[in-house]
Amino acid sequence: GNSVTQMEGPVTLSEEAFLTINCTYTATGYPSLFWYVQYPGEGLQLLLKATKADDKGSNKGFEATYRKETTSFHLEKGSVQVSDSAVYFCALSESRKLIFGAGTRLAVHP
Amino acid sequence: EPEVTQTPSHQVTQMGQEVILRCVPISNHLYFYWYRQILGQKVEFLVSFYNNEISEKSEIFDDQFSVERPDGSNFTLKIRSTKLEDSAMYFCASSEAGLSTDTQYFGPGTRLTVL
Repeated sequence: GNSVTQMEGPVTLSEEAFLTINCTYTATGYPSLFWYVQYPGEGLQLLLKATKADDKGSNKGFEATYRKETTSFHLEKGSVQVSDSAVYFCALSESRKLIFGAGTRLAVHP
Repeated sequence: EPEVTQTPSHQVTQMGQEVILRCVPISNHLYFYWYRQILGQKVEFLVSFYNNEISEKSEIFDDQFSVERPDGSNFTLKIRSTKLEDSAMYFCASSEAGLSTDTQYFGPGTRLTVL
């Protein structure tokens, strides 16, 4: 079946460092791909999405490009802030449900 | 900005008891979902609901679980006889339609603790 694999965390960075969180997927067909973020004590918030190959989703300085040839949707940000500390989930859509990766915890320190 | 709300934020219950988790989806959305996240594990799909019917459910969603839209605003998840392994964070979500491109908007979750 379809699945999502994310790099294990935690990822610990200094403020203003470059961030990459790897996400690869296995899917039949052409799912939409999503990144959700979960801040401490809160629910899941959509960060960005891409609905077809070569689409780039972007929001709040984060970007991810739907790469069909490598079945990847890596999340990047050029300069992280302490406020970006959260758990990041990669997900794909299958029919009417989302299939999530395990989540990657990001800790940014000043 | 419209948002999905869930009550209660934390529910503690004894094994074997029934619990009802409540959600108010975004008002113009037509599809509703429940997911759960056992501590330290992945977020898992439980069920999707449209037009007062279940449209899809996972293997986890067995006869102990049921969903209902009792009125025009609430969407509930009932667990008939809770087990220890039902302890998890339960998230409600809604989307405008059921397309794979649609964004699902999540509530803040209900933490269920079964003792």
